[in-house]
Amino acid sequence: NAGVTQTPKFQVLKTGQSMTLQCAQDMNHNSMYWYRQDPGMGLRLIYYSASEGTTDKGEVPNGYNVSRLNKREFSLRLESAAPSQTSVYFCASSLDTWGQETQYFGPGTRLLVL
Amino acid sequence: QKEVEQNSGPLSVPEGAIASLNCTYSDRGSQSFFWYRQYSGKSPELIMSIYSNGDKEDGRFTAQLNKASQYVSLLIRDSQPSDSATYLCAVNRGSGGYQKVTFGTGTKLQVIP
Repeated sequence: NAGVTQTPKFQVLKTGQSMTLQCAQDMNHNSMYWYRQDPGMGLRLIYYSASEGTTDKGEVPNGYNVSRLNKREFSLRLESAAPSQTSVYFCASSLDTWGQETQYFGPGTRLLVL
Repeated sequence: QKEVEQNSGPLSVPEGAIASLNCTYSDRGSQSFFWYRQYSGKSPELIMSIYSNGDKEDGRFTAQLNKASQYVSLLIRDSQPSDSATYLCAVNRGSGGYQKVTFGTGTKLQVIP
């Protein structure tokens, strides 16, 4: 039982390049999330998927797109990377989006955009 | 005013002492409260959750919630060097449908041997 996995762990991009961050969970959770974490800013929600087949914007969605490929997988795409997207990206999942659900986090992807 | 506020620290306590971490929130409709621990370079992991006023104890950890004053705290008894980490407070408006979870920026705790 791996929990939440993310690939890649590290990535360096040049401005304008695109890439997709992959996330998968094996806990049979319905809901999945993408956050970014920046110094002094805390965790900020980019997009979430309450259930398979649905996605919605979070607090900072500009410059990102997501795909809920199936119940297990939720990917985050940067179409044209910018230096402002340098950050640590965390994927998380929870059984549902109801208020008391614990979120379980993946190990993170460290992205540097030059 | 930030939705969830924490003192960034660092909070330094000697080994064996009680560490007290505080968090205030602005939305009076908030009903679910979480404390996550994050070691440097690692991902957040849940320590405690609390939903009603009062204290909730789990081993060396006690979460305290006061909705009237809009604060939630985490007490760590008999602090150990392994408790040195950043502690994130998270707040959720309630149950039913998607309820946004807002994270504080975290308090860095240093336990001095």
